[in-house]
Amino acid sequence: GAVVSQHPSRVICKSGTSVKIECRSLDFQATTMFWYRQFPKQSLMLMATSNEGSKATYEQGVEKDKFLINHASLTLSTLTVTSAHPEDSSFYICSATGTGGYTFGSGTRLTVV
Amino acid sequence: AQSVTQLDSQVPVFEEAPVELRCNYSSSVSVYLFWYVQYPNQGLQLLLKYLSGSTLVKGINGFEAEFNKSQTSFHLRKPSVHISDTAEYFCAVSLGSGGYQKVTFGIGTKLQVIP
Repeated sequence: GAVVSQHPSRVICKSGTSVKIECRSLDFQATTMFWYRQFPKQSLMLMATSNEGSKATYEQGVEKDKFLINHASLTLSTLTVTSAHPEDSSFYICSATGTGGYTFGSGTRLTVV
Repeated sequence: AQSVTQLDSQVPVFEEAPVELRCNYSSSVSVYLFWYVQYPNQGLQLLLKYLSGSTLVKGINGFEAEFNKSQTSFHLRKPSVHISDTAEYFCAVSLGSGGYQKVTFGIGTKLQVIP
């Protein structure tokens, strides 16, 4: 079945630094990828939608300059959290769509100290 | 825009008892419906989905859900739960046309199976 690999699974970084999270579709081409954020004890909130080769579409309230999304190929999308602050600490999950429907990555736990 | 309501934030149930997790949705157009399970510190795993056709959908791990258009519901059921079913369950909806659309999630229901 369709598999999406997301890593790192956990990352701790210092405040002010940038962190890159990768999302790869391993056995299918993902025309669209979605990035979600999940706060503790809350649901997943869509941050942005990215299509291969074009700029990402951000949801209202999400800072596009802070959360940089690149979808350079049909199998890879990256989310870079720039100048991270403690309030950016969260669980980030990507989702890729292909012929098999929506497939989610395993998530990345980001802790900013 | 579509929305999802999960009526119960937590559901405790004894092992081997049946369980129903409730989900209602709101949309003015046709939708796709999903149930996902999330174990602690892990991503989402698809349990089942309704796209079209039969309103009774069977998924993995013995779960099933029934799409009820008149009641705009998509409740998840399992006739006999196991300890390993303890997890958070999310109901989700997306538009049912125009290719893959963004998925809107409910707030989740924490299923606690009691031995």
